[in-house]
Amino acid sequence: NAGVTQTPKFRILKIGQSMTLQCTQDMNHNYMYWYRQDPGMGLKLIYYSVGAGITDKGEVPNGYNVSRSTTEDFPLRLELAAPSQTSVYFCASSPGQDRGQPQHFGDGTRLSIL
Amino acid sequence: GDSVTQMEGPVTLSEEAFLTINCTYTATGYPSLFWYVQYPGEGLQLLLKATKADDKGSNKGFEATYRKETTSFHLEKGSVQVSDSAVYFCALSGWGTALIFGKGTTLSVSS
Repeated sequence: NAGVTQTPKFRILKIGQSMTLQCTQDMNHNYMYWYRQDPGMGLKLIYYSVGAGITDKGEVPNGYNVSRSTTEDFPLRLELAAPSQTSVYFCASSPGQDRGQPQHFGDGTRLSIL
Repeated sequence: GDSVTQMEGPVTLSEEAFLTINCTYTATGYPSLFWYVQYPGEGLQLLLKATKADDKGSNKGFEATYRKETTSFHLEKGSVQVSDSAVYFCALSGWGTALIFGKGTTLSVSS
């Protein structure tokens, strides 16, 4: 079972460049999330989606955009990369709205902006 | 707002030692509580969960009990192994279904 798949695993960007982090899940989950993980800071929610065509901001959305055209895919876009966006990015999914349902995480994308 | 506080690391133990990682939370309503584990170079994996007060989550020898009166969800294991070395995150279900995480505690177990 693939679960949640993120690509690429590693990327180095120059300041001002743009890129898209890909995330796809094969569990038919309605809810998907993007988090960033900074050293010693836990994970912070960037954006989330409750279904195709519906997205909303999380705690730290500035500098990012998302779209959700299908149930499976939830790409995260950085338009103008800044050093403050150097982080590890995790995509996650969950079946629905029940607070007891755990989230399933991908292996992450390690992004460095120089 | 909702928040999670877990003990600072790193925690360094010898194999077969007893482990406790403290976690307390602040939340409105009745959140679900989770422990996730992250092995080096990997994503987060669910370790255990509890959805209501006095529930005990358990998995792979780890346990945690949802204590509403002390707003705590401490992680324990009676005898740790080298393979338990990882970063452990306490989390609660916040608004919507997003998770709110603690900062993580690094556990290092030596043989």
